[in-house]
Amino acid sequence: NAGVTQTPKFQVLKTGQSMTLQCAQDMNHEYMSWYRQDPGMGLRLIHYSVGAGITDQGEVPNGYNVSRSTTEDFPLRLLSAAPSQTSVYFCASSPGAGGQTGELFFGEGSRLTVL
Amino acid sequence: KQEVTQIPAALSVPEGENLVLNCSFTDSAIYNLQWFRQDPGKGLTSLLLIQSSQREQTSGRLNASLDKSSGRSTLYIAASQPGDSATYLCAVRTGANNLFFGTGTRLTVIP
Repeated sequence: NAGVTQTPKFQVLKTGQSMTLQCAQDMNHEYMSWYRQDPGMGLRLIHYSVGAGITDQGEVPNGYNVSRSTTEDFPLRLLSAAPSQTSVYFCASSPGAGGQTGELFFGEGSRLTVL
Repeated sequence: KQEVTQIPAALSVPEGENLVLNCSFTDSAIYNLQWFRQDPGKGLTSLLLIQSSQREQTSGRLNASLDKSSGRSTLYIAASQPGDSATYLCAVRTGANNLFFGTGTRLTVIP
Protein backbone atom coordinates (compact mmCIF):
# COMPACT_ATOMS: atom_id res chain seq x y z
CA ASN A 1 0.00 0.00 0.00
CA ALA A 2 1.73 3.17 -1.21
CA GLY A 3 -0.68 5.67 0.41
CA VAL A 4 0.62 9.24 -0.04
CA THR A 5 3.94 9.53 -1.89
CA GLN A 6 6.06 12.68 -1.92
CA THR A 7 9.11 13.45 -4.04
CA PRO A 8 11.79 14.58 -3.62
CA LYS A 9 12.57 13.80 0.03
CA PHE A 10 15.36 16.40 0.16
CA GLN A 11 16.07 19.46 -1.99
CA VAL A 12 18.46 22.40 -1.79
CA LEU A 13 17.64 25.50 -3.81
CA LYS A 14 19.21 28.88 -4.33
CA THR A 15 17.17 32.02 -3.75
CA GLY A 16 15.06 32.80 -6.81
CA GLN A 17 14.99 29.29 -8.21
CA SER A 18 11.70 27.54 -8.85
CA MET A 19 10.78 23.94 -8.27
CA THR A 20 7.85 21.56 -7.89
CA LEU A 21 7.19 19.20 -5.01
CA GLN A 22 5.26 16.18 -6.18
CA CYS A 23 2.47 14.45 -4.28
CA ALA A 24 0.51 11.40 -5.38
CA GLN A 25 -2.04 9.26 -3.57
CA ASP A 26 -3.50 5.92 -4.61
CA MET A 27 -6.47 5.83 -2.22
CA ASN A 28 -8.90 7.68 -4.53
CA HIS A 29 -9.19 10.50 -1.97
CA GLU A 30 -10.97 13.61 -3.12
CA TYR A 31 -9.36 15.92 -0.58
CA MET A 32 -5.64 16.74 -0.78
CA SER A 33 -3.61 19.39 0.97
CA TRP A 34 -0.13 20.78 1.52
CA TYR A 35 1.31 21.80 4.90
CA ARG A 36 4.58 23.22 6.03
CA GLN A 37 6.09 22.35 9.39
CA ASP A 38 8.41 24.78 11.12
CA PRO A 39 9.97 24.47 14.59
CA GLY A 40 7.74 25.91 17.30
CA MET A 41 4.95 26.77 14.88
CA GLY A 42 3.23 23.46 14.24
CA LEU A 43 1.84 22.57 10.83
CA ARG A 44 0.27 25.29 8.70
CA LEU A 45 -1.96 24.78 5.69
CA ILE A 46 -0.63 26.17 2.39
CA HIS A 47 -3.20 25.08 -0.22
CA TYR A 48 -5.88 22.43 -0.44
CA SER A 49 -8.15 20.80 -3.00
CA VAL A 50 -11.56 19.16 -2.57
CA GLY A 51 -11.45 17.47 -5.98
CA ALA A 52 -9.94 17.52 -9.45
CA GLY A 53 -10.00 21.03 -10.89
CA ILE A 54 -10.75 22.68 -7.52
CA THR A 55 -8.10 24.33 -5.36
CA ASP A 56 -8.13 26.96 -2.66
CA GLN A 57 -5.76 28.82 -0.36
CA GLY A 58 -4.94 27.90 3.18
CA GLU A 59 -3.30 29.93 5.92
CA VAL A 60 0.08 30.60 4.24
CA PRO A 61 -0.36 30.51 0.42
CA ASN A 62 1.98 33.30 -0.64
CA GLY A 63 4.86 32.15 -2.85
CA TYR A 64 3.22 28.82 -3.69
CA ASN A 65 1.07 27.58 -6.54
CA VAL A 66 -0.97 24.39 -6.91
CA SER A 67 -3.09 22.64 -9.51
CA ARG A 68 -5.21 19.48 -9.44
CA SER A 69 -5.68 18.00 -12.89
CA THR A 70 -6.26 14.46 -11.63
CA THR A 71 -7.63 12.90 -8.44
CA GLU A 72 -4.25 11.27 -7.74
CA ASP A 73 -1.79 14.17 -8.08
CA PHE A 74 -1.44 17.49 -6.29
CA PRO A 75 1.89 19.21 -7.04
CA LEU A 76 3.12 22.24 -5.11
CA ARG A 77 5.13 24.81 -7.05
CA LEU A 78 7.52 27.31 -5.53
CA LEU A 79 7.62 30.19 -7.95
CA SER A 80 10.74 32.02 -6.74
CA ALA A 81 12.27 30.38 -3.70
CA ALA A 82 13.13 32.49 -0.64
CA PRO A 83 15.05 31.51 2.53
CA SER A 84 11.77 31.89 4.47
CA GLN A 85 10.47 28.87 2.54
CA THR A 86 13.07 26.61 4.14
CA SER A 87 10.86 24.06 5.84
CA VAL A 88 9.53 20.53 5.81
CA TYR A 89 6.58 20.13 3.50
CA PHE A 90 3.88 17.52 3.97
CA CYS A 91 1.18 16.43 1.60
CA ALA A 92 -1.96 14.89 3.09
CA SER A 93 -5.14 13.38 1.73
CA SER A 94 -8.53 12.48 3.12
CA PRO A 95 -11.64 10.68 1.89
CA GLY A 96 -14.93 12.53 1.60
CA ALA A 97 -15.97 15.32 -0.72
CA GLY A 98 -15.53 18.19 1.68
CA GLY A 99 -12.68 16.79 3.72
CA GLN A 100 -14.46 17.79 6.89
CA THR A 101 -14.85 14.42 8.54
CA GLY A 102 -12.37 12.04 6.99
CA GLU A 103 -9.18 10.74 8.51
CA LEU A 104 -6.11 12.56 7.23
CA PHE A 105 -3.21 10.54 5.79
CA PHE A 106 0.23 12.11 5.44
CA GLY A 107 3.21 11.55 3.19
CA GLU A 108 6.76 11.19 4.54
CA GLY A 109 7.62 14.83 3.90
CA SER A 110 9.96 16.83 1.67
CA ARG A 111 12.76 18.74 3.39
CA LEU A 112 13.56 21.92 1.49
CA THR A 113 16.49 24.24 2.15
CA VAL A 114 16.73 27.58 0.37
CA LEU A 115 20.16 29.23 0.46
CA LYS B 1 -9.08 31.69 15.26
CA GLN B 2 -8.90 28.25 16.81
CA GLU B 3 -5.95 27.79 19.17
CA VAL B 4 -4.72 24.29 19.95
CA THR B 5 -2.42 23.76 22.91
CA GLN B 6 -0.54 20.67 24.01
CA ILE B 7 1.02 20.60 27.43
CA PRO B 8 3.60 19.48 28.38
CA ALA B 9 5.91 20.04 25.42
CA ALA B 10 8.05 17.11 26.55
CA LEU B 11 7.52 14.13 28.84
CA SER B 12 9.78 11.31 30.05
CA VAL B 13 8.38 8.21 31.71
CA PRO B 14 9.78 4.80 32.68
CA GLU B 15 8.75 1.81 30.63
CA GLY B 16 5.49 0.22 31.72
CA GLU B 17 3.92 3.38 33.05
CA ASN B 18 0.45 4.48 31.95
CA LEU B 19 0.38 8.06 30.74
CA VAL B 20 -1.94 10.80 29.53
CA LEU B 21 -1.23 13.42 26.89
CA ASN B 22 -3.38 16.53 26.82
CA CYS B 23 -4.79 18.65 24.03
CA SER B 24 -6.97 21.72 24.53
CA PHE B 25 -8.72 23.89 21.98
CA THR B 26 -10.50 27.22 22.22
CA ASP B 27 -13.51 26.81 19.89
CA SER B 28 -15.83 23.87 20.49
CA ALA B 29 -17.41 24.06 16.99
CA ILE B 30 -15.35 21.25 15.50
CA TYR B 31 -15.98 18.43 13.02
CA ASN B 32 -13.43 16.08 14.50
CA LEU B 33 -10.16 15.74 16.38
CA GLN B 34 -7.30 13.54 15.26
CA TRP B 35 -4.24 12.29 17.13
CA PHE B 36 -1.03 11.67 15.24
CA ARG B 37 2.38 10.26 15.98
CA GLN B 38 5.51 11.68 14.36
CA ASP B 39 8.89 9.97 14.52
CA PRO B 40 12.03 12.09 13.91
CA GLY B 41 12.45 12.91 10.22
CA LYS B 42 9.22 11.15 9.30
CA GLY B 43 5.69 12.02 8.38
CA LEU B 44 2.63 11.93 10.60
CA THR B 45 0.95 8.63 11.32
CA SER B 46 -2.72 8.74 12.21
CA LEU B 47 -3.49 7.11 15.55
CA LEU B 48 -7.11 7.90 16.30
CA LEU B 49 -9.87 10.03 14.82
CA ILE B 50 -12.78 11.17 16.98
CA GLN B 51 -15.80 12.69 15.30
CA SER B 52 -17.56 15.54 17.07
CA SER B 53 -20.48 13.27 18.00
CA GLN B 54 -18.21 10.72 19.69
CA ARG B 55 -16.76 10.75 23.20
CA GLU B 56 -13.87 8.32 22.76
CA GLN B 57 -12.02 5.98 20.44
CA THR B 58 -9.77 3.05 21.25
CA SER B 59 -7.04 1.26 19.34
CA GLY B 60 -4.95 -1.32 21.14
CA ARG B 61 -3.17 0.36 24.05
CA LEU B 62 -4.39 3.80 22.99
CA ASN B 63 -7.57 5.51 24.11
CA ALA B 64 -8.54 9.02 23.09
CA SER B 65 -11.37 10.99 24.67
CA LEU B 66 -13.10 14.15 23.55
CA ASP B 67 -14.98 16.69 25.64
CA LYS B 68 -16.12 19.40 23.25
CA SER B 69 -17.83 21.53 25.86
CA SER B 70 -14.61 21.98 27.83
CA GLY B 71 -12.39 22.05 24.73
CA ARG B 72 -10.27 19.10 25.78
CA SER B 73 -9.01 15.81 24.47
CA THR B 74 -6.74 13.30 26.13
CA LEU B 75 -4.68 10.48 24.67
CA TYR B 76 -4.16 7.64 27.14
CA ILE B 77 -1.30 5.23 26.50
CA ALA B 78 -1.34 2.07 28.58
CA ALA B 79 1.78 0.12 29.57
CA SER B 80 4.17 2.40 27.70
CA GLN B 81 7.05 0.89 25.71
CA PRO B 82 10.30 2.40 24.37
CA GLY B 83 8.82 2.10 20.87
CA ASP B 84 6.16 4.61 21.89
CA SER B 85 8.83 7.32 22.02
CA ALA B 86 7.83 9.95 19.45
CA THR B 87 6.13 13.32 19.18
CA TYR B 88 2.35 13.19 19.54
CA LEU B 89 0.27 15.82 17.79
CA CYS B 90 -3.40 16.60 18.00
CA ALA B 91 -5.31 18.40 15.27
CA VAL B 92 -8.77 19.92 15.31
CA ARG B 93 -10.82 20.23 12.13
CA THR B 94 -13.39 22.99 11.77
CA GLY B 95 -13.82 22.86 7.97
CA ALA B 96 -12.21 21.76 4.72
CA ASN B 97 -9.55 24.46 4.99
CA ASN B 98 -9.49 24.69 8.73
CA LEU B 99 -7.36 22.09 10.42
CA PHE B 100 -5.45 23.40 13.40
CA PHE B 101 -2.49 21.55 14.87
CA GLY B 102 -0.94 21.72 18.30
CA THR B 103 2.85 21.90 18.51
CA GLY B 104 3.04 18.43 20.02
CA THR B 105 4.27 16.58 23.07
CA ARG B 106 7.64 14.84 22.73
CA LEU B 107 7.40 11.55 24.62
CA THR B 108 10.43 9.55 25.75
CA VAL B 109 9.88 6.13 27.30
CA ILE B 110 12.93 5.05 29.25
CA PRO B 111 13.76 1.30 29.24
